[in-house]
Amino acid sequence: EAQVTQNPRYLITVTGKKLTVTCSQNMNHEYMSWYRQDPGLGLRQIYYSMNVEVTDKGDVPEGYKVSRKEKRNFPLILESPSPNQTSLYFCASSGTGGYNEQFFGPGTRLTVL
Amino acid sequence: TQLLEQSPQFLSIQEGENLTVYCNSSSVFSSLQWYRQEPGEGPVLLVTVVTGGEVKKLKRLTFQFGDARKDSSLHITAAQTGDTGLYLCAGGDAGGTSYGKLTFGQGTILTVHP
Repeated sequence: EAQVTQNPRYLITVTGKKLTVTCSQNMNHEYMSWYRQDPGLGLRQIYYSMNVEVTDKGDVPEGYKVSRKEKRNFPLILESPSPNQTSLYFCASSGTGGYNEQFFGPGTRLTVL
Repeated sequence: TQLLEQSPQFLSIQEGENLTVYCNSSSVFSSLQWYRQEPGEGPVLLVTVVTGGEVKKLKRLTFQFGDARKDSSLHITAAQTGDTGLYLCAGGDAGGTSYGKLTFGQGTILTVHP
């Protein structure tokens, strides 16, 4: 089954404690993105990657890091989380040949205390 | 920064009614996508429109892309309770160098009452 998986699905942590949210896709897609979703603000792109070792900032990259060492994986790293990073995070992938239609993962709800 | 203004933000209607959701921008987009999201899940693609003036139909849902590719609308005929959810529009960058970049609207929360 074609899918994007994220782990963990729920995470409660404290300010300053480094964390990583993993994302993996099994569709051999070139493009992957991370978004955060907040009430009234919709989905905002954090980072995206066009291929292995190629990443670029989205609209809200501050406080986040990403890496793309393998085509299928695109982890999101919060080196020093802060309460304003409490949000619902989605990983997505898309292939070439279309119009960047996104296949989304199920989401990770992060709470930073 | 490209912006997509989606309206209305909330829509509460009775089953059988018609409704329209709008997505507007001052920027030109290479494509416009519509997604539907249910609680606890990620958004799921409904349709992509790419040509100015294009109209696509998906059962009771009609999607239109503006002639200038700056706006789009989603019209639902005879809404059903199963249409309840969050509807999101997303515009693809027309610059040609940022293929991976999508701009999302704020979303419309639709509630259809029986």
